[in-house]
Amino acid sequence: AQKITQTQPGMFVQEKEAVTLDCTYDTSDPSYGLFWYKQPSSGEMIFLIYQGSYDQQNATEGRYSLNFQKARKSANLVISASQLGDSAMYFCAMREGGQAGTALIFGKGTTLSVSS
Amino acid sequence: DVKVTQSSRYLVKRTGEKVFLECVQDMDHENMFWYRQDPGLGLRLIYFSYDVKMKEKGDIPEGYSVSREKKERFSLILESASTNQTSMYLCASIQFNTGSEQFFGPGTRLTVL
Repeated sequence: AQKITQTQPGMFVQEKEAVTLDCTYDTSDPSYGLFWYKQPSSGEMIFLIYQGSYDQQNATEGRYSLNFQKARKSANLVISASQLGDSAMYFCAMREGGQAGTALIFGKGTTLSVSS
Repeated sequence: DVKVTQSSRYLVKRTGEKVFLECVQDMDHENMFWYRQDPGLGLRLIYFSYDVKMKEKGDIPEGYSVSREKKERFSLILESASTNQTSMYLCASIQFNTGSEQFFGPGTRLTVL
């Protein structure tokens, strides 16, 4: 079974609109971390946001917020006020266990296209 | 700023060649990782290392080996390159037990002919 599922291969949004990228995860470990990375066409992986399993509040970083629903095992990324520069591949990832520094498990990614 | 560098952005090799992909980080991180990225498959872990001379297999280690002789450098080795190893290779590092995000290098796009 997949540990990280991103069901949207591609998403399209217009500038200034908000968009939600879906991510569900599967783990039996009570301690874990959830990450979102952005990969533009240039290829580098850019860290966007992190949510720990014990964090009470949803993480936010500027225009990015993580809608963390623990009971549903979902960790959707919300991008508010989309910009043309947001066009990229987005990956959801999970670290299992309480020890920071372990390997990440990645989803297959969602390609976001922002149009003017 | 943390910097993770990879020796080449693009590499073209022939089937059967021995290929070395080098990764260097400048933040004294203990943990380093090699991932492979293929369209529709996301990133998959090949090998990782928690310390100098220590290595652990990831999900897809077949056809690869690694070397970590110095803390800052983690090398991925394709002993005999094959066409199915044509892919994007990404190196990452993180501070053990205190870091949250993994820092990635720019990637090496390897083509095996």
